[in-house]
Amino acid sequence: HLQLQESGPGLVKPSETLSLTCTVSGDSISSNSYYWGWIRQPPGKGLECIGSIYYTGSTYYNPSLKSRVTISVDTSKNQFSLKLISVTAADTAVYYCARLRLGIKGGMDVWGQGTTVTVSS
Amino acid sequence: DIQMTQSPSTLSASVGDRVTITCRASQSISRWLAWYQQKPGKAPKVLIYKASSLESGVPSRFSGSGSGTEFTLTISRLQPDDFATYYCQQYNSDWWTFGQGTKVEIK
Repeated sequence: HLQLQESGPGLVKPSETLSLTCTVSGDSISSNSYYWGWIRQPPGKGLECIGSIYYTGSTYYNPSLKSRVTISVDTSKNQFSLKLISVTAADTAVYYCARLRLGIKGGMDVWGQGTTVTVSS
Repeated sequence: DIQMTQSPSTLSASVGDRVTITCRASQSISRWLAWYQQKPGKAPKVLIYKASSLESGVPSRFSGSGSGTEFTLTISRLQPDDFATYYCQQYNSDWWTFGQGTKVEIK
Protein backbone atom coordinates (compact mmCIF):
# COMPACT_ATOMS: atom_id res chain seq x y z
CA HIS A 1 0.00 0.00 0.00
CA LEU A 2 1.04 3.61 -0.50
CA GLN A 3 3.48 5.09 1.99
CA LEU A 4 5.15 8.48 2.23
CA GLN A 5 8.33 9.06 4.22
CA GLU A 6 9.94 12.41 4.98
CA SER A 7 13.71 12.68 5.39
CA GLY A 8 16.18 15.46 6.05
CA PRO A 9 18.08 17.28 8.79
CA GLY A 10 16.30 17.80 12.08
CA LEU A 11 18.29 20.91 12.94
CA VAL A 12 18.89 23.92 10.72
CA LYS A 13 20.70 27.13 11.61
CA PRO A 14 18.96 30.50 11.26
CA SER A 15 19.39 32.11 7.82
CA GLU A 16 20.26 28.74 6.26
CA THR A 17 18.21 26.50 3.96
CA LEU A 18 15.82 23.79 5.11
CA SER A 19 15.80 20.82 2.73
CA LEU A 20 13.45 17.84 3.00
CA THR A 21 12.62 14.93 0.72
CA CYS A 22 9.48 12.82 0.61
CA THR A 23 9.88 9.31 -0.78
CA VAL A 24 6.74 7.70 -2.18
CA SER A 25 6.52 3.91 -2.08
CA GLY A 26 3.77 1.55 -3.16
CA ASP A 27 2.61 3.62 -6.14
CA SER A 28 3.99 5.88 -8.84
CA ILE A 29 4.31 9.59 -8.22
CA SER A 30 3.56 10.05 -11.93
CA SER A 31 -0.20 9.76 -11.60
CA ASN A 32 -2.59 12.22 -13.20
CA SER A 33 -4.94 11.92 -10.23
CA TYR A 34 -2.82 13.52 -7.54
CA TYR A 35 -0.77 16.47 -6.47
CA TRP A 36 1.92 15.99 -3.81
CA GLY A 37 2.21 18.49 -1.01
CA TRP A 38 4.08 19.78 2.00
CA ILE A 39 2.27 20.86 5.17
CA ARG A 40 3.78 22.05 8.41
CA GLN A 41 2.65 22.40 12.01
CA PRO A 42 4.52 24.63 14.48
CA PRO A 43 4.62 23.33 18.05
CA GLY A 44 1.18 23.55 19.64
CA LYS A 45 -0.35 25.21 16.57
CA GLY A 46 -2.46 24.34 13.55
CA LEU A 47 -1.73 23.06 10.07
CA GLU A 48 -0.34 25.23 7.28
CA CYS A 49 -0.05 24.24 3.63
CA ILE A 50 3.38 25.14 2.24
CA GLY A 51 2.93 24.10 -1.37
CA SER A 52 2.22 21.29 -3.78
CA ILE A 53 3.53 19.83 -7.03
CA TYR A 54 2.21 17.75 -9.92
CA TYR A 55 4.43 15.09 -11.48
CA THR A 56 4.93 17.37 -14.50
CA GLY A 57 6.51 19.97 -12.22
CA SER A 58 3.56 22.35 -11.97
CA THR A 59 3.52 23.96 -8.53
CA TYR A 60 1.35 25.96 -6.16
CA TYR A 61 2.84 27.80 -3.19
CA ASN A 62 1.47 29.43 -0.06
CA PRO A 63 1.52 33.15 -0.95
CA SER A 64 3.02 33.98 2.45
CA LEU A 65 5.98 31.65 1.84
CA LYS A 66 6.29 31.86 -1.93
CA SER A 67 9.42 34.02 -1.95
CA ARG A 68 11.32 31.43 0.12
CA VAL A 69 9.95 28.07 -1.09
CA THR A 70 10.85 25.73 -3.91
CA ILE A 71 9.21 22.34 -4.40
CA SER A 72 10.60 19.95 -6.98
CA VAL A 73 9.87 16.41 -8.17
CA ASP A 74 12.11 13.56 -9.27
CA THR A 75 9.92 10.98 -10.98
CA SER A 76 12.87 8.60 -11.54
CA LYS A 77 13.31 8.31 -7.77
CA ASN A 78 9.59 8.62 -6.94
CA GLN A 79 10.41 11.56 -4.69
CA PHE A 80 9.51 15.19 -4.24
CA SER A 81 11.43 17.75 -2.25
CA LEU A 82 11.07 20.99 -0.32
CA LYS A 83 13.58 23.80 0.01
CA LEU A 84 12.90 26.74 2.31
CA ILE A 85 15.55 29.45 2.35
CA SER A 86 16.47 32.03 4.97
CA VAL A 87 14.85 30.15 7.83
CA THR A 88 14.10 31.65 11.23
CA ALA A 89 12.83 30.23 14.50
CA ALA A 90 9.29 30.72 13.15
CA ASP A 91 9.98 27.91 10.67
CA THR A 92 10.42 25.39 13.50
CA ALA A 93 7.69 22.82 12.96
CA VAL A 94 6.74 19.27 12.17
CA TYR A 95 6.84 18.98 8.38
CA TYR A 96 4.51 16.51 6.67
CA CYS A 97 4.32 15.37 3.09
CA ALA A 98 0.96 14.22 1.76
CA ARG A 99 -0.93 13.10 -1.33
CA LEU A 100 -3.56 15.54 -2.57
CA ARG A 101 -6.47 14.03 -4.49
CA LEU A 102 -7.69 15.83 -7.58
CA GLY A 103 -11.11 15.57 -9.15
CA ILE A 104 -14.40 14.99 -7.38
CA LYS A 105 -12.92 13.70 -4.16
CA GLY A 106 -10.21 16.10 -3.07
CA GLY A 107 -8.53 16.21 0.29
CA MET A 108 -5.25 14.75 1.47
CA ASP A 109 -5.72 11.02 1.88
CA VAL A 110 -2.21 9.71 2.59
CA TRP A 111 0.31 11.41 4.88
CA GLY A 112 3.86 10.79 5.94
CA GLN A 113 4.55 10.39 9.65
CA GLY A 114 6.08 13.87 9.82
CA THR A 115 9.58 15.04 10.62
CA THR A 116 10.50 17.63 13.23
CA VAL A 117 12.71 20.48 12.08
CA THR A 118 14.15 22.87 14.62
CA VAL A 119 15.72 26.16 13.59
CA SER A 120 18.37 27.07 16.11
CA SER A 121 22.01 28.05 16.27
CA ASP B 1 -6.75 33.76 0.19
CA ILE B 2 -9.83 31.94 1.39
CA GLN B 3 -9.91 32.07 5.19
CA MET B 4 -11.44 29.19 7.16
CA THR B 5 -12.78 29.84 10.66
CA GLN B 6 -13.75 27.02 13.00
CA SER B 7 -15.85 27.19 16.15
CA PRO B 8 -15.52 26.45 18.92
CA SER B 9 -11.75 26.32 19.43
CA THR B 10 -12.19 23.86 22.29
CA LEU B 11 -15.13 21.66 23.11
CA SER B 12 -15.62 19.63 26.31
CA ALA B 13 -17.84 16.60 25.96
CA SER B 14 -18.60 13.20 27.43
CA VAL B 15 -18.62 9.76 25.88
CA GLY B 16 -21.96 9.27 24.15
CA ASP B 17 -22.54 12.98 23.49
CA ARG B 18 -23.53 14.39 20.12
CA VAL B 19 -20.86 16.88 19.04
CA THR B 20 -21.03 19.51 16.31
CA ILE B 21 -18.14 21.60 14.97
CA THR B 22 -18.70 24.51 12.59
CA CYS B 23 -16.43 25.75 9.82
CA ARG B 24 -17.04 28.99 7.92
CA ALA B 25 -15.32 30.07 4.70
CA SER B 26 -14.60 33.71 3.86
CA GLN B 27 -16.15 33.15 0.42
CA SER B 28 -18.13 30.42 -1.24
CA ILE B 29 -16.24 27.15 -1.71
CA SER B 30 -19.22 25.17 -3.06
CA ARG B 31 -18.77 21.76 -1.41
CA TRP B 32 -14.99 21.57 -1.70
CA LEU B 33 -14.33 20.91 1.96
CA ALA B 34 -12.62 18.13 3.90
CA TRP B 35 -12.51 17.32 7.60
CA TYR B 36 -9.51 15.77 9.37
CA GLN B 37 -8.87 14.24 12.77
CA GLN B 38 -5.46 14.61 14.38
CA LYS B 39 -4.22 12.94 17.54
CA PRO B 40 -1.10 14.10 19.42
CA GLY B 41 2.13 13.16 17.67
CA LYS B 42 0.30 11.77 14.64
CA ALA B 43 -0.42 12.94 11.12
CA PRO B 44 -3.96 14.09 10.32
CA LYS B 45 -6.44 11.56 8.99
CA VAL B 46 -9.13 12.49 6.49
CA LEU B 47 -12.67 11.77 7.70
CA ILE B 48 -14.95 13.56 5.23
CA TYR B 49 -14.41 14.89 1.70
CA LYS B 50 -16.59 16.98 -0.56
CA ALA B 51 -18.39 18.30 2.53
CA SER B 52 -20.44 15.19 3.27
CA SER B 53 -18.80 12.08 1.77
CA LEU B 54 -17.45 9.64 4.33
CA GLU B 55 -13.90 8.47 3.69
CA SER B 56 -13.55 4.70 3.37
CA GLY B 57 -13.00 3.03 6.73
CA VAL B 58 -14.26 5.95 8.81
CA PRO B 59 -17.03 5.08 11.30
CA SER B 60 -20.53 6.15 10.33
CA ARG B 61 -20.94 8.18 13.53
CA PHE B 62 -19.00 10.90 11.68
CA SER B 63 -20.99 13.01 9.23
CA GLY B 64 -20.54 16.28 7.40
CA SER B 65 -22.93 18.78 5.91
CA GLY B 66 -23.05 22.21 4.34
CA SER B 67 -22.23 24.10 1.20
CA GLY B 68 -21.18 27.57 0.16
CA THR B 69 -19.65 29.16 3.24
CA GLU B 70 -20.99 27.19 6.21
CA PHE B 71 -20.19 23.60 7.08
CA THR B 72 -20.54 21.26 10.04
CA LEU B 73 -18.91 18.08 11.26
CA THR B 74 -21.08 15.99 13.57
CA ILE B 75 -20.07 13.05 15.73
CA SER B 76 -23.33 11.33 16.63
CA ARG B 77 -22.18 9.46 19.74
CA LEU B 78 -18.73 10.43 20.95
CA GLN B 79 -16.40 7.49 21.61
CA PRO B 80 -13.20 7.46 23.69
CA ASP B 81 -11.14 7.23 20.49
CA ASP B 82 -12.68 10.48 19.19
CA PHE B 83 -10.97 12.82 21.65
CA ALA B 84 -8.67 14.66 19.26
CA THR B 85 -8.29 17.87 17.29
CA TYR B 86 -10.39 18.36 14.16
CA TYR B 87 -9.55 20.56 11.18
CA CYS B 88 -11.55 21.66 8.18
CA GLN B 89 -9.79 22.38 4.88
CA GLN B 90 -11.02 24.03 1.70
CA TYR B 91 -9.82 22.99 -1.74
CA ASN B 92 -11.94 25.25 -3.89
CA SER B 93 -9.09 27.50 -4.94
CA ASP B 94 -5.64 26.70 -6.28
CA TRP B 95 -4.44 27.29 -2.76
CA TRP B 96 -5.76 24.95 -0.02
CA THR B 97 -6.22 26.35 3.51
CA PHE B 98 -7.05 24.85 6.90
CA GLY B 99 -9.18 26.10 9.73
CA GLN B 100 -7.41 26.73 13.03
CA GLY B 101 -8.66 23.50 14.60
CA THR B 102 -11.16 22.39 17.25
CA LYS B 103 -9.92 20.37 20.19
CA VAL B 104 -12.46 17.91 21.58
CA GLU B 105 -11.66 17.27 25.24
CA ILE B 106 -13.04 14.93 27.85
CA LYS B 107 -15.55 16.68 30.11
